[in-house]
Amino acid sequence: QVQLVESGPGLVKPSETLALTCVVSGHSVSDDYYWAWIRQPPGKGLEWIGSIHYNENRYPTLRDSSLKSRVILLLDKSKNQLSLILTSVTAADTAVYYCVRLNGPSGSRYFGHWGQGTLVIVSS
Amino acid sequence: QSALTQEASVSGTVGQKVTLSCTGNNNNIGRYIVGWYQQISHDPPKTVMFGNSLPSGITDRFSGSRSGATAYLTISGLQPEDEGYYYCSTWDSSVSGWLFGGGTKVTVL
Repeated sequence: QVQLVESGPGLVKPSETLALTCVVSGHSVSDDYYWAWIRQPPGKGLEWIGSIHYNENRYPTLRDSSLKSRVILLLDKSKNQLSLILTSVTAADTAVYYCVRLNGPSGSRYFGHWGQGTLVIVSS
Repeated sequence: QSALTQEASVSGTVGQKVTLSCTGNNNNIGRYIVGWYQQISHDPPKTVMFGNSLPSGITDRFSGSRSGATAYLTISGLQPEDEGYYYCSTWDSSVSGWLFGGGTKVTVL
């Protein structure tokens, strides 16, 4: 059974860069799956940030258009983890950030396994 | 405003059947399967349906369907532990990204 554990700084100052890590166990990040980051601002709904696949030649990295210029997604096979880097953060980036594995074949994918999430507060 | 439209709230009594809807268009729900995610209190979301299929370990009181560009999640025999928020999501080919509905709050009276 795949397990996803997110970690991060907890508190980030405005205009700084946020870096989150998701350690994966039970499966390799180089397996044939997309991995995603999803966030949830306090009291609000879910927002997709982006998705990444180990085989980037066949499956491109995807990012939400509103965040695209500030988001970097990475996979590290040696550590079996994925990372999210979000630059120039503002208070609007305050949220619980989830690491998720997508299941299913192309055209029938869905968010199958969720991490516990990590809270990030942007404040000076 | 979310790209997928869900009811803000739905309520029912114990044992009742309730149906949640999720409306999109032919670039998303009309073409791709819809996932449904249950969130209880401050817990992380849990996948309860994809298309009309149940993930392993999910009660068969949940069922999924679709008609055109609207997807439905039906909860039969509503139980107190079903109370929470339910989000729908699917791929959108026009934006090349994943969309979520705004979420439906299910209340068990």
